[in-house]
Amino acid sequence: VQLQESGPGLVKPSETLSLTCTVSGASISSYYWSWIRQPPGKGLEWIAYISDSGSGKYSPSLKSRATISVDTSKNQFSLNLTSVTAADTAVYYCARRVQGTFDIWGQGAMVTVSS
Amino acid sequence: QTVVTQEPSFSVSPGGTVTLTCGLSSGSVSTGYYPSWYQQTPGQAPRTLIYSTNTRSSGVPDRFSGSILGNKAALTITGAQADDESDYYCVLFMGSGISVFGGGTKLTVL
Repeated sequence: VQLQESGPGLVKPSETLSLTCTVSGASISSYYWSWIRQPPGKGLEWIAYISDSGSGKYSPSLKSRATISVDTSKNQFSLNLTSVTAADTAVYYCARRVQGTFDIWGQGAMVTVSS
Repeated sequence: QTVVTQEPSFSVSPGGTVTLTCGLSSGSVSTGYYPSWYQQTPGQAPRTLIYSTNTRSSGVPDRFSGSILGNKAALTITGAQADDESDYYCVLFMGSGISVFGGGTKLTVL
């Protein structure tokens, strides 16, 4: 199983950050999938998950700005984060969640918020 | 707001034993939070070490072990090696469905 994040590396303040995770080696409809981020030099922060039935759950601190979705035809899931600021600059990871753990991680995508 | 606590830093001698902990700002950590542990080296994605409190992920050496100690989850490294020098993160899975990471522990082996 492999996960690969993709999306713009630079986003302007107040705009929307959009990332996609392409899953290979597993059916996206069979598992839960998450987005996790890590600001430079800081710790990990869980953002959201989408379930095998397509329902999402969000971190309370990001709930108002984040949307997670899935495209089963492409075996991909995505993250949209609106109204970004410099505080959203981070490496964004997608990961599979099974048995109470994140067992498979993507390599990460660096996103910088700057004008 | 739920805060998961970890020691910011720890140091261990080569060959020594170290226990890192993962607590809650309010309350006790139990197996019901399915605590899991991740190792991260600079520039790399995290690697799963332990899940569901004490189950080692595939390929993880048995010198890494997980447990509940008192009111916290714990990661013990027995016989520390130089390449164990990393950042270690725990995560708790809350009943509400959200996941919360601890702030991480920077482990130095010297």
